[in-house]
Amino acid sequence: ILNVEQSPQSLHVQEGDSTNFTCSFPSSNFYALHWYRWETAKSPEALFVMTLNGDEKKKGRISATLNTKEGYSYLYIKGSQPEDSATYLCASVDNYGQNFVFGPGTRLSVLP
Amino acid sequence: EAGVTQFPSHSVIEKGQTVTLRCDPISGHDNLYWYRRVMGKEIKFLLHFVKESKQDESGMPNNRFLAERTGGTYSTLKVQPAELEDSGVYFCASSEGHPNTEAFFGQGTRLTVV
Repeated sequence: ILNVEQSPQSLHVQEGDSTNFTCSFPSSNFYALHWYRWETAKSPEALFVMTLNGDEKKKGRISATLNTKEGYSYLYIKGSQPEDSATYLCASVDNYGQNFVFGPGTRLSVLP
Repeated sequence: EAGVTQFPSHSVIEKGQTVTLRCDPISGHDNLYWYRRVMGKEIKFLLHFVKESKQDESGMPNNRFLAERTGGTYSTLKVQPAELEDSGVYFCASSEGHPNTEAFFGQGTRLTVV
C-alpha cells in the first residue's frame, strides 16, 4: 500500500503570513496527486489534481507544485486568512488508478 | 500514542451480504467521523459522533448503513445488505475538539462488493 506523508502535522500562523506545507509520496507507479481542503464534518473540497512533473497550479491565494521524480508536492498559501483554517489533505493515486491513499493531513490554524 | 486504526484494511463481499467496519479513534477523542470515497468521486462525509451521540448523520446515503459508537469509544459502520455501488474506501477520523482542532485520520477500509 502507498505511504503518503504530510508535514507538518499542524501549523499555526498569523493572519497575513504566507505559509507552505509538504506532501511526500512514492514516486514509483505515480499517476496523480490530489490536494483537498477539508473542514471537519464537511466533504473535502478539491483544490488541485496534478499529474505532470513540474506542474504548478494556482487557485486564488493557494498554489501547489509537483515533483514526481522525487515524490513531493508543496502547497503554498499567500497572505493567510482565518477562513483558510482547515485540514489540507493530499492523496496519491498510483498508475493503476485504484490505490487512492490520503496523507494524514496538515491542520492549519490562522490566528486573527 | 496509537493513531486512528481501522479494520479490516480490505474487505471483499458479495452483493447482499453484510459487512461491518470498525474504527478505533485516538484515546480520549470525543469526535469521530466517517467518510467514504466511492471510486472516481470525491470523498464524502457520512456522519459525526460526539462521544456516543450522532451529531450529524446527514451524509449517510440510505438506511442500509448503520453506524454505532457504543460507550463513546470505538465505532462500527455496518452495511446491510451491501450493493455494488457501496464499493469504495471508508475513512474514519477522530479529533479532541470540534471544529478547530486537529483531526487524525485512519488509513481507511477498502470495501469491494462483487
